[in-house]
Parts: sequence; C-alpha cells; structure tokens
Amino acid sequence: DAGVIQSPRHEVTEMGQEVTLRCKPISGHNSLFWYRQTMMRGLELLIYFNNNVPIDDSGMPEDRFSAKMPNASFSTLKIQPSEPRDSAVYFCASTFAGLPSNQPQHFGDGTRLSIL
Amino acid sequence: AQKVTQAQTEISVVEKEDVTLDCVYETRDTTYYLFWYKQPPSGELVFLIRRNSFDEQNEISGRYSWNFQKSTSSFNFTITASQVVDSAVYFCALKVGRGSTLGRLYFGRGTQLTVWP
Repeated sequence: DAGVIQSPRHEVTEMGQEVTLRCKPISGHNSLFWYRQTMMRGLELLIYFNNNVPIDDSGMPEDRFSAKMPNASFSTLKIQPSEPRDSAVYFCASTFAGLPSNQPQHFGDGTRLSIL
Repeated sequence: AQKVTQAQTEISVVEKEDVTLDCVYETRDTTYYLFWYKQPPSGELVFLIRRNSFDEQNEISGRYSWNFQKSTSSFNFTITASQVVDSAVYFCALKVGRGSTLGRLYFGRGTQLTVWP
C-alpha cells in the first residue's frame, strides 16, 4: 500500500520566493497534519485538517504560511514570501480519526526546505 | 493541556546492551493513547508501537518492550540487545480527544540513541 507521499523531497530557493509543498495522504485517512522540524524547536504541528476542513491552525507561524486541502487526496502548504528562518524539514502525516481510536499517524518522508 | 516529556536528550550504549527510553505524559483525559516513533538518520518518522490507556498488560514484540505505568504517567520503551541499526531519535507521543480533534498527537522532544559497535 502506498504511504503518505510528499513532494518535492528537497527544495532550495531564494528568499522572497513562493514555496509550495505537496502531500497525498493515505487513501481512506480522514485527518491530515503538517509539521515542521528544526533542531531548535523540534517537531511542531503547524495545522491539521479533518475531512478536508482545517481544525486548528494555531501552529502556523504567521500570515506568510497558508495550507489548503481541496479534496481528500491532496493538500498543499504554501510559504509566500519565504525567509531563511523557514528552512526546516516539513512533514505531512495522515491518520483515520474515528474508531478504533488508537490509529497512529503515518508520516511522509518529508520535504527538506532551504531558503537562501 | 497535554504534555509529553522525554527527559533523556541523548543516550549512548554499546551494541548488545539493553536500553530504556523514558517518557512521562500529562493529560486529564481518562482515555488516551500512547505511541513511540523512530526517526533514523535518513529522516523519516516510523511508527513503532502504541498503547491504550485502558490496557493492563505490558507487551513485548521482538527486541522491543514497553512498560506502561498509569500511577506514574510513564510509558517507557526498552530495546533489548541493541544493534547499531537502532541508532535513531525516538519520539514518544500522546493522543487524546473527541470527535474531530481525535487524531492529533502531542510529541516529546525526542531522545537521540546512539549504539556503538
């Protein structure tokens, strides 16, 4: 079975450019999560969706970050304009939020983002 | 509020030693779920084990075992006869919630395990 698919795996771009990260969750999962991982702050939850609806975006750093989930099989995380401090590994994860309640989240391989 | 604490930032052992990773959690929910994830040097996050708050028995799976102590809010993870391939960052995570919030995980900061040959 296909896992969570993220693209691109690596992105290097210059400050001020728009960056779009993409995620395809596991089929049948109804919750999707975007995380950011840095050495300083560890693994941070940015936003999550349930049934394509954003539930909590309190982790989104600022207005430069936006996320969408137009359908059950696709989500994007956009940074515009990008800044060097946005450099991090961004993970997407999905799970089935329902019964049974002990379902784990499954993570994509991450996007390593470098803003020069 | 939910919180997960992994007090051990780094652990180093020599191959074949047993190693225990500590995890302490905080929640007021009476029903919750605990998980351990592994992040090897290649960077992906891999689900290892899970535990329901209402399960009574501790379990063993191959070289992995876990000790759930409700009285001390701890969910410790042990690797028996460690191997170099076990070198990774290990994350403990907690899930609580109802309805649409179900699914969110609260992660600890992780423990870097290094196994030397």
